[in-house]
Amino acid sequence: DQQVKQNSPSLSVQEGRISILNCDYTNSMFDYFLWYKKYPAEGPTFLISISSIKDKNEDGRFTVFLNKSAKHLSLHIVPSQPGDSAVYFCAATSGTYKYIFGTGTRLKVLA
Amino acid sequence: DAGVIQSPRHEVTEMGQEVTLRCKPISGHDYLFWYRQTMMRGLELLIYFNNNVPIDDSGMPEDRFSAKMPNASFSTLKIQPSEPRDSAVYFCASSPDNHYGYTFGSGTRLTVV
Repeated sequence: DQQVKQNSPSLSVQEGRISILNCDYTNSMFDYFLWYKKYPAEGPTFLISISSIKDKNEDGRFTVFLNKSAKHLSLHIVPSQPGDSAVYFCAATSGTYKYIFGTGTRLKVLA
Repeated sequence: DAGVIQSPRHEVTEMGQEVTLRCKPISGHDYLFWYRQTMMRGLELLIYFNNNVPIDDSGMPEDRFSAKMPNASFSTLKIQPSEPRDSAVYFCASSPDNHYGYTFGSGTRLTVV
């Protein structure tokens, strides 16, 4: 049973436009959410996180939005750059270091 | 710091053989995690340690899998006997005692033929 779901396996966006990556979760006990980026042949790297007491967190071009009532979070990248092309994983946890990851979304930013 | 070091980077083995994956966490990190990545299930947590003690091994698929952390700077994940369905990328990650995200190693790509 996938507690964290990324229903879009892939996404293509033009350079300079907005990329929106989505993630849904089922466990209402999750209270902390993270996004990781992964390039080929490398391990995932931490990108941005959000606590359940917030509904938005911003870091440069990256913003994460959390909608607790819908059990949904999204990652916005504005403007998108070719170097953003990677696989993006969302993850969730309920107060422990046990992160539950989604299956990932492959983003391709077209120059 | 060199980051989380995993070895080998690639492993090809025959079904039934024993496979040992190795991990050196970042010095000073209290937590160590083993994950497996597959297309179908994404990143699955297999087991994690805190101060060398296994905390949660509920993700270990079956008795063929075992993990140890004999000291703060070394951990192993062993599969015995290996099966083709074990083919995946195995990641080790470590974390200090805070919630700023894990640091992953580059992974070991395991192929069991």
